[in-house]
Amino acid sequence: GDSVTQMEGPVTLSEEAFLTINCTYTATGYPSLFWYVQYPGEGLQLLLKATKADDKGSNKGFEATYRKETTSFHLEKGSVQVSDSAVYFCALSFYNQGGKLIFGQGTELSVKP
Amino acid sequence: EAQVTQNPRYLITVTGKKLTVTCSQNMNHEYMSWYRQDPGLGLRQIYYSMNVEVTDKGDVPEGYKVSRKEKRNFPLILESPSPNQTSLYFCASTRTGSYGEQFFGPGTRLTVL
Repeated sequence: GDSVTQMEGPVTLSEEAFLTINCTYTATGYPSLFWYVQYPGEGLQLLLKATKADDKGSNKGFEATYRKETTSFHLEKGSVQVSDSAVYFCALSFYNQGGKLIFGQGTELSVKP
Repeated sequence: EAQVTQNPRYLITVTGKKLTVTCSQNMNHEYMSWYRQDPGLGLRQIYYSMNVEVTDKGDVPEGYKVSRKEKRNFPLILESPSPNQTSLYFCASTRTGSYGEQFFGPGTRLTVL
C-alpha cells in the first residue's frame, strides 16, 4: 500500500544550522506531497506542498522538491531558528479523494540558541 | 476567521463510558476527517466524510463511529472506550477539488483509564 517514511528524530540543531529532514514515499499513481508542522500544543499546519514531479514547494524559508525518480521529498532550510522547534510530518495524498492524507511518523526538531 | 474547532480539548474517562468529541468547521468544506496521533506512528485516518450523510472508514475505524448530519459538524463517537484508544485526536477538513491540503483542529487529548 501507499506509505511515507521519514528520518527518525529527535533532531537537535544549533541556531543558524542547516536543516535536512529526509522523506521518501511509496505510492501507486501520482500523489501530491506535503510537509505539515505541529508546534507544541497545537494542531497541524500546512507548511508547503508540491503536486507534481519536479515541483518545488517553499514557505518561511523551508523548501522541498518533488523527486519522482528517487520517490523523495526532503525538507530543507538554510538557517534554522529557535522558533522552528516543532514536529514535522511528511504526507501524501491523491487529488480529490476525500482529502485523505497518509503521514510519515513525524520528526521532532529542537533548535538550541 | 477560518477554523476547525474541537471539544473538549482534554478528556479523561473510564473504560466503557460512552463519549463524543465534537468537530465543527466554518469554511463550508465538503470533506472532513478524523485522525489519531500516536508516538512513532504519525497520524492515521479513522473515518472520513465526503459530504452530508456520506461517511466511510479510514485505516483504523475499529471502536469508533461518526455521523455527518450537517455539513459543518462531524462528531466522533466512542461507544465503549478502551485504554488502547488513549491518543491525541485531530479533526480536519478540506474542499472538493483539493490536492489534499487540510485544515486541522487543535486536537483532543483523550485518556481512557
